[in-house]
Amino acid sequence: EAQVTQNPRYLITVTGKKLTVTCSQNMNHEYMSWYRQDPGLGLRQIYYSMNVEVTDKGDVPEGYKVSRKEKRNFPLILESPSPNQTSLYFCASRRLAGDNEQFFGPGTRLTVL
Amino acid sequence: SQQGEEDPQALSIQEGENATMNCSYKTSINNLQWYRQNSGRGLVHLILIRSNEREKHSGRLRVTLDTSKKSSSLLITASRAADTASYFCATGRGAGGTSYGKLTFGQGTILTVHP
Repeated sequence: EAQVTQNPRYLITVTGKKLTVTCSQNMNHEYMSWYRQDPGLGLRQIYYSMNVEVTDKGDVPEGYKVSRKEKRNFPLILESPSPNQTSLYFCASRRLAGDNEQFFGPGTRLTVL
Repeated sequence: SQQGEEDPQALSIQEGENATMNCSYKTSINNLQWYRQNSGRGLVHLILIRSNEREKHSGRLRVTLDTSKKSSSLLITASRAADTASYFCATGRGAGGTSYGKLTFGQGTILTVHP
């Protein structure tokens, strides 16, 4: 089944404790992206990647890192999480060429205390 | 600022009625997409309309695009309780006829369909 998976689905952590949210897709998509969703603010793009070893900032990259060492994986790294990073995070992927829909993962609900 | 802004923010209707949601955007686009999100879950793609298209249909969905007004509408006909969800428009931009890089989402319309 074609899908985007994220882990963990739920995470409660404390300020300053490094964490990684994994994202994996099995559709051989070149493009992958991370979003955060907050009430009243909709979805905002954090980082995106158009291929292996190619990443770029979205609208709200501060406090986040990403890497794209393999085509299928695009982990989101919070080196020193803060409470304002409490949010619902979505990973998405799509084929790069042309106008294509994005496939979204199920989401990761992160709480930083 | 948000590229896409949906209107209304919330819509409550009875089963069988039509639901219309609008989206406005600010800059030029290559395409406009509509997504659906059930509470707390991932977004699901509904329909994409390209900048050179004016109207598109998919089942009970009808999307229009007016690039001169920088606006789009999503019509759901004969709504069902299962259509209850949040609906987002997203605009794609890029050069050379492709959409790469950023896909910018609006804040969404919360649709409630009462049985």
